[in-house]
Parts: sequence; structure tokens; C-alpha cells
Amino acid sequence: GESVGLHLPTLSVQEGDNSIINCAYSNSASDYFIWYKQESGKGPQFIIDIRSNMDKRQGQRVTVLLNKTVKHLSLQIAATQPGDSAVYFCAETLRFNKFYFGSGTKLNVKP
Amino acid sequence: DTAVSQTPKYLVTQMGNDKSIKCEQNLGHDTMYWYKQDSKKFLKIMFSYNNKELIINETVPNRFSPKSPDKAHLNLHINSLELGDSAVYFCASSQESGVNQPQHFGDGTRLSIL
Repeated sequence: GESVGLHLPTLSVQEGDNSIINCAYSNSASDYFIWYKQESGKGPQFIIDIRSNMDKRQGQRVTVLLNKTVKHLSLQIAATQPGDSAVYFCAETLRFNKFYFGSGTKLNVKP
Repeated sequence: DTAVSQTPKYLVTQMGNDKSIKCEQNLGHDTMYWYKQDSKKFLKIMFSYNNKELIINETVPNRFSPKSPDKAHLNLHINSLELGDSAVYFCASSQESGVNQPQHFGDGTRLSIL
């Protein structure tokens, strides 16, 4: 399943499928990006980050892709599990660790 | 052990009152932040302190005053509370100042103004 960020704030996928969450960031000068996961009643939790000198970074079951040409960031989650259900935020910063957050995408994983 | 802890978790109060939210981090980080998350889940930075010194101050009303007694604590005092202050307030910390890096968040304080 795939979302288009602001235009589709909820993404529903079947357990075991891959998920792709998209984010359009605003500042072409931003040089550091983070994906956070927020579960209900909890604070945002760091998932993965990427600096602007890279276009891809992989973690455990997650991959972040950065396309600076079109100011686009995506988070790919492999073999999505029910525990992945949450709201996902992208965040960008240029300096001073001053982050600007996207509006979030809710991921629903159906068993 | 909770890395970034906020108290209280819930705060219900009347318009016009003054209230404080406390935050403590035991990660040994130098920098702490306050964020506001509105009803649409939009997260916006309010303040940032590094070693007790204010380094980020977004366009926040003067009714909001952060205070950092030491680098492990950053409290938020709000005077004359208004209905629009209802939100979830998150405290966060990061290891160093001036270096872009992940922030560690607390679980938030849900403020409801009656």
C-alpha cells in the first residue's frame, strides 16, 4: 500500500504487505530528515534518519528514500505488522536541530 | 527508567488560570525542547534550551515562559490560559547543541481548558 502524505492521511494495508508512506518537505535547503512513529497516547519515537548527502538509508525492516530534486521523502516498511499501526511523521531541519514536522500519515495494519 | 518524563500527564483547568508542566530527562543530553501538538496532530516547536540557555524561541505568546533550572530539566509555565491552549505538549531532548540529530520525546501532557 502507498500513501501520498497530505492528500491521503490514512493508509490501510494487510499484515505482511509492504507499506510506503510519502512526505513532501518544504525547504530545499533542509539537510537532515527524520521519520518518527507516534502510537496513541505516546510521544513520537525515532525510526530512521537520513542526511541530504544520501538518497537511501536502510534500517531493520525500514528504508528511507530521499529525492532532493522534487523535495520528497518516503518511508518503506517491509512485511508490515499490527505493531506498526501508528501515525508516522516526517521532519526536516536545516540547522540548530529545529525541526519542522509534516502533518502525519496514519497507518492501519489489518490482520 | 523513563528517559524523558513529563508531569502531569493530564491537566484540566479553567480559562484564565496559570499552570506549569514539568519535564526531566535522564539521558545526559545538553538540549531540551517544548513542542505543541494540536487536535489535528500537527507538531510545532515552541522553545529549545541548551545548557539552561534559550536558543530557539518560536512565535509563541508571552504567556508561555520556559524555565530551565539545570540541563536535565525544562519546565513550561503558562499564564492566563486560553481555550486555544488546549493541546498535547511534548518535551524532548537531544544530545548536543548545533548538531542535527534525533530528538527523544516524552509521552506528552494533555492540557484541556474548560
